[in-house]
This record gives sequence, C-alpha cells and structure tokens, in this order.
Amino acid sequence: ELQLVESGGGLVKPGGSLRLSCAGSGFTLSSHSMTWVRQAPGKGLEWVASISSSASSIYYADSVRGRFTIFRDNAKESLFLQMSSLRVEDTAVYFCARDQYAIVASPNYYGMDVWGQGTTVTVS
Amino acid sequence: QSVLTQPPSVSGTPGQRVTISCSGSSSNIGNNYVFWYQQFPGTAPTLLIYRNFQRSSGVPDRFSGSKSGTSASLAISGLRPQDAAEYYCSAWDDRLSRLVFGGGTKLTV
Repeated sequence: ELQLVESGGGLVKPGGSLRLSCAGSGFTLSSHSMTWVRQAPGKGLEWVASISSSASSIYYADSVRGRFTIFRDNAKESLFLQMSSLRVEDTAVYFCARDQYAIVASPNYYGMDVWGQGTTVTVS
Repeated sequence: QSVLTQPPSVSGTPGQRVTISCSGSSSNIGNNYVFWYQQFPGTAPTLLIYRNFQRSSGVPDRFSGSKSGTSASLAISGLRPQDAAEYYCSAWDDRLSRLVFGGGTKLTV
C-alpha cells in the first residue's frame, strides 16, 4: 500500500520554529517530486512548496517564501518542511503529497496522487 | 480570494447529474492542465481527475472532467449519497509561479 505519514506538528508561539517530516512507504519516495499543501481550520487547500526528486528545483508560495524551507533526505526516503518565524495565520493541517510523475511547474505534471493524513500546526 | 473561482456549494438528489465549475484565467486554466481533488471531512484530499479529464485509478466513470478556454468543469452523474464531499480544482499559474486551488465546492446529496 502506498502511504505517506507526516509528523512534527504541534503548538508553537508566534515567531517560533517547527520542522515537519514526511515518510513514505510502499514506493520509492526519492524518485518523486514532493509537495506540501496546508489547510487552515474550516478553509480550503493552499499549496505551500514543492521539491523535485533531486532537489534541483524548488518552488514556494509567496506566503511562506523566506520563512519555510522544503528539503529532502533521499537516503532516508524522507521529506521535510522547516518552518521559521511562524505566524498565527500559519495555523493549519499540513499534508505532504507525492507528485505523480513530475514537479508542479512541469508540462509533465500529473497531479498529487498520494497524500498523507496530515499533521496539525497551531501557532498561538 | 482564490485565484480559481468555484461555487461554494451545489446540491443534487440521488441519480441526478451535477456539475461543478472552476473559472480561471489565461495564466492558469487557459494555459495549463486542470486537476480535481475530492475531500471528505477530516480526511486528506484524493486525486479525482488529472490533466483536465483523465480519471485517477479507481475513480468511477460517473466522474468526468472537461476544460474550455479559461474554465473547467467536473460532472458527476448518477449521484450517490457517498459522493457528498468537498471538491477542489487546481492548476499551475504561470504568472504567479505557483499552484493555485479553487476555494472548494461542497456537494450535498
């Protein structure tokens, strides 16, 4: 079974930092571009950041650029989101997702076909 | 304010056909593929339709996607109570250089 599991969420004060992790199973995470998407309480989906399989291409939403860093450790088949200077408006459930074939900006993008269950970040 | 515009809600009765619209611009839907995601309360989204009209694995053919110009639609025929969920459209935006989502449409059956 293809699965992604996020961890690292929690309660943090404004201005604080948090690192989210995402581990995959049932497939080779290191072969895929990966994406973080968040959902504030009662709100819709918001794309946060994406990273190619080799980490050679990285994209950020304007709302997090300069504060969040997406990175990966392919040797450990893991994806991360380092969040700094957190704001109240960053409060959300954070999902990691597998890009089916290529990174979001690519003409060969096929969407996000495997999602984790999400981890909750509360900034208060 | 979402870059892609969806109706907040749609409703239908079992067996009916409903459509959910997604309106964008030349920098997103007009020049890139559209994707549709389904989300049930308290769960992660799942990919329903990719590249405008391709159904994801396991998605019944009651679900269909289409695109024309700067707008896209998701149609659900033979509506079932279990189709009640939130539906989101998505596309890459060349001008903003980011993936954009619609605000979501809550389907009530």
